[in-house]
Amino acid sequence: EDKVVQSPLSLVVHEGDTVTLNCSYEVTNFRSLLWYKQEKKAPTFLFMLTSSGIEKKSGRLSSILDKKELFSILNITATQTGDSAVYLCAVLPNSGAGSYQLTFGKGTKLSVIP
Amino acid sequence: ETGVTQTPRHLVMGMTNKKSLKCEQHLGHNAMYWYKQSAKKPLELMFVYNFKEQTENNSVPSRFSPECPNSSHLFLHLHTLQPEDSALYLCASHSDGGRAGELFFGEGSRLTVL
Repeated sequence: EDKVVQSPLSLVVHEGDTVTLNCSYEVTNFRSLLWYKQEKKAPTFLFMLTSSGIEKKSGRLSSILDKKELFSILNITATQTGDSAVYLCAVLPNSGAGSYQLTFGKGTKLSVIP
Repeated sequence: ETGVTQTPRHLVMGMTNKKSLKCEQHLGHNAMYWYKQSAKKPLELMFVYNFKEQTENNSVPSRFSPECPNSSHLFLHLHTLQPEDSALYLCASHSDGGRAGELFFGEGSRLTVL
């Protein structure tokens, strides 16, 4: 059974701080690892990491995938109050199916205070 | 705005009621999903439809009944629910031409069962 464990479950930081969110996983026949941001209700896509792309950057956010140790980290530098959200990590197996059988972690709730 | 619209946004129902949740996407996507999000638990995949055909039913109780009349609309019919079914129900869709694992989520329907 595929499994995703995120840590910490919650985190409070001050604006300007740098944070690191962790995601470890177990998956049969790995295809990709994804990060989503859930601010209020709808999770929105941030990054997809595969065997061919172990590091992604988008402005102040970056993510690294370590396929050997089976984990990923999401870094946010110079945090802003708008970064406050729940960050979800998910893994996608290579099932050959036409749909995506994502397994999600419980998420990390990040609160950025002024 | 993700292009996936869910109604109603909030629903309160008794255990003997029958109600339905609706999801609509005009993104031209071919696959649609129902997820359940309970407090302190990971997102749980309930049902998947690919080109209107149900491809996954993750051991969901029969009191939840999905319907997909076309590729743009998805319903979740609810009857004789239990208080533990109270949760945020998220609809999502994806396109075969998009990034593997990238789902587009709606804002969700917050369900409270009394």
